[in-house]
Amino acid sequence: GQQLNQSPQSMFIQEGEDVSMNCTSSSIFNTWLWYKQEPGEGPVLLIALYKAGELTSNGRLTAQFGITRKDSFLNISASIPSDVGIYFCAAMAPRNSGNTPLVFGKGTRLSVIA
Amino acid sequence: DAGITQSPRHKVTETGTPVTLRCHQTENHRYMYWYRQDPGHGLRLIHYSYGVKDTDKGEVSDGYSVSRSKTEDFLLTLESATSSQTSVYFCAMLQDRTNYGYTFGSGTRLTVV
Repeated sequence: GQQLNQSPQSMFIQEGEDVSMNCTSSSIFNTWLWYKQEPGEGPVLLIALYKAGELTSNGRLTAQFGITRKDSFLNISASIPSDVGIYFCAAMAPRNSGNTPLVFGKGTRLSVIA
Repeated sequence: DAGITQSPRHKVTETGTPVTLRCHQTENHRYMYWYRQDPGHGLRLIHYSYGVKDTDKGEVSDGYSVSRSKTEDFLLTLESATSSQTSVYFCAMLQDRTNYGYTFGSGTRLTVV
């Protein structure tokens, strides 16, 4: 089946540092999404990308849809303690008919040291 | 609020007993999903539904069944719970087909002893 390889698995960073994580696959996708999960809660959508090469920002977060349609990255600038959580990438295959569920990466656990 | 709730939030059950988890949405969305989350595995799809009485299997459907008798409720049943089904279960709905943004519930932590 389709798989998303998300890296790194975990990160420990100092407050104020920039963060970068990415997701790659051997399959082509036509939509990439990034979610954040805080402890005890479900994932929440951060950014959605629909076109190869697209670069989208949401505050201190920036995500890009790779030109090959097989990868995406998420950057967080000037990290703060509330950035702590698990970040998931997710993607939708081109054969989407509306029924096709998202595929999720295994997540990147981010810890911020004040 | 997000309009999707899961119940119960926590449950401890014994091996071999049946368990039903409930997902309820108030927004009349067609698509709903059940995922389980385990360390090292991320979110794995169990079953999903694309309408009343229309369901399909995900990648880890063995040992689980679902029912969708009305739009607002999507039930996940473990017919005979096993310790390997100890997990956190998340329900999600497809809130907006134009951006494929799933809205997740807050999860049910299930422990099978």
